[in-house]
Amino acid sequence: QVQLQESGPGLVKPSQTLSLTCTVSGGSISSGSYYWSWIRQPAGKGLEWIGRIYTSGSTNYNPSLKSRVTISVDTSKNQFSLKLSSVTAADTAVYYCARDLTYGPNAFDIWGQGTMVTVSS
Amino acid sequence: DIQMTQSPSSLSASVGDRVTITCQASQDISNYLNWYQQKPGKAPKLLIYDASNLETGVPSRFSGSGSGTDFTFTISSLQPEDIATYYCQQYDNLRAFGGGTKVEIK
Repeated sequence: QVQLQESGPGLVKPSQTLSLTCTVSGGSISSGSYYWSWIRQPAGKGLEWIGRIYTSGSTNYNPSLKSRVTISVDTSKNQFSLKLSSVTAADTAVYYCARDLTYGPNAFDIWGQGTMVTVSS
Repeated sequence: DIQMTQSPSSLSASVGDRVTITCQASQDISNYLNWYQQKPGKAPKLLIYDASNLETGVPSRFSGSGSGTDFTFTISSLQPEDIATYYCQQYDNLRAFGGGTKVEIK
C-alpha cells in the first residue's frame, strides 16, 4: 500500500530556508485524484495545515504562511517537497506529509511518520 | 479564513463513559468536516469523514454528527486505547484543524 516518508535536515538556522522532501512509495504520485499536503505540529500544540500540491503542479497554501511557502512536485522521483523561507524559532515543529483525497473521504488518509525540524543557531 | 474551535481542550473520563467533543466553525461549512485521532508520537488517523461517516475499520463506538457550524464527536463507551488527542478538520475552504481535545482516563 502507499506509504509516505519525510526527509530533510533536522536543524535549520534562523532566517534560512527549511527544505523537506516527501517520498511516496507503493504507488505513483500521479495516479488518482490526489493532492499532496504538508502539515506541521509544534511540540505540545495542535496541527497546522501548510499547503498542498496536485500532480499537475497546482498549489494551495495556508494564507498565514503563503508568503514564505513553496511546494513543488517531482513526478519522476515520486516526491513532493516543501520550502519555508525566513524561518524563526516559531517554525520549530514536527512536519508531516500526507495524501489529501478529493473524493470518497475528502480527507488526509495516509500520513508520513513525521520529521522533527528545529530552528536554532 | 475559516476558524475551527474545539471544546473542551482536555477532558478526563472513566472507562465505559460516554465522551463528547464539540467543534464549531466560524462560518457554514455544510458537512465538510473530518475527525482524527492522534496518539503520542504518532501521526493522526482519520476516524470520521463528511461529519458522520465512519472510516473503514474504525470501531463503531466512535461517531460524529452535525452540519453547518456545529459538530459533535462522540465515543459511546471510552476504552483505554482511546487515550489520544482528537482533532476536527474542515475542508470547505482549503484545510484547517481545530485546536484539539486531549482525552485522558480518570
